[in-house]
Amino acid sequence: EVQLVQSGAEVKKPGESLKISCKGSGYSFTNYWIGWVRQMPGKGLEWMGIIYPGDSDTTYSPSFQGQVTISADKSISTAYLQWSSLKASDTAMYYCARHGYGSDWYRIDYWGRGTLVTVSS
Amino acid sequence: QSALTQPPSASGSPGQSVTISCTGTSSDVGDYNYVSWYQHHPGKAPKLMIYDVSKRPSGVPDRFSGSKSGNTASLTVSGLQAEDEADYYCSSYADSNNLVFGGGTKLTVL
Repeated sequence: EVQLVQSGAEVKKPGESLKISCKGSGYSFTNYWIGWVRQMPGKGLEWMGIIYPGDSDTTYSPSFQGQVTISADKSISTAYLQWSSLKASDTAMYYCARHGYGSDWYRIDYWGRGTLVTVSS
Repeated sequence: QSALTQPPSASGSPGQSVTISCTGTSSDVGDYNYVSWYQHHPGKAPKLMIYDVSKRPSGVPDRFSGSKSGNTASLTVSGLQAEDEADYYCSSYADSNNLVFGGGTKLTVL
């Protein structure tokens, strides 16, 4: 069974750094694109970007390029989403998402339950 | 504003059919047959219901169907059941290796 287990909720202050995680199991972690989707309070979903754990090839949505860093450690089947300096506007639920195999990366076939990030002074 | 436009809400009685639209542009929905639909019950992980416009993953009931005409994709839920009440999101591949989502539609089963 494919599972994506995300790290727990975080409460941070503006300017702080943060790294949240997503551990994949039940499939070959290195062979599927894995990425992140943001949902701000009361809003829709926004695709942030993806990484291919096999070679760390990364693609970002233009909206998130330079704002966050997506990484992965294939030795422990874990993907990460990182901020160097959080803003209040980063307050959102962040979903980890396994994308389709190979050229079918544009669909998300498994999702995590989400990590709530709250940024407040 | 979301890249794809969905109605904020839709509703129907048990047994009825409901169609949710998803309107994009010629840079996404109109140019690619890579539209997906996701069901999201709050507090749970979203679930893939339709991919490649009209294909159903294994295990998804055939009450769920998808279609596309021009820049607008649609999800139809036939024979509505109480458990279909959820938020539904569309997504589409977009130019330059991008993925865009709709703003979501809250489906209410009356």
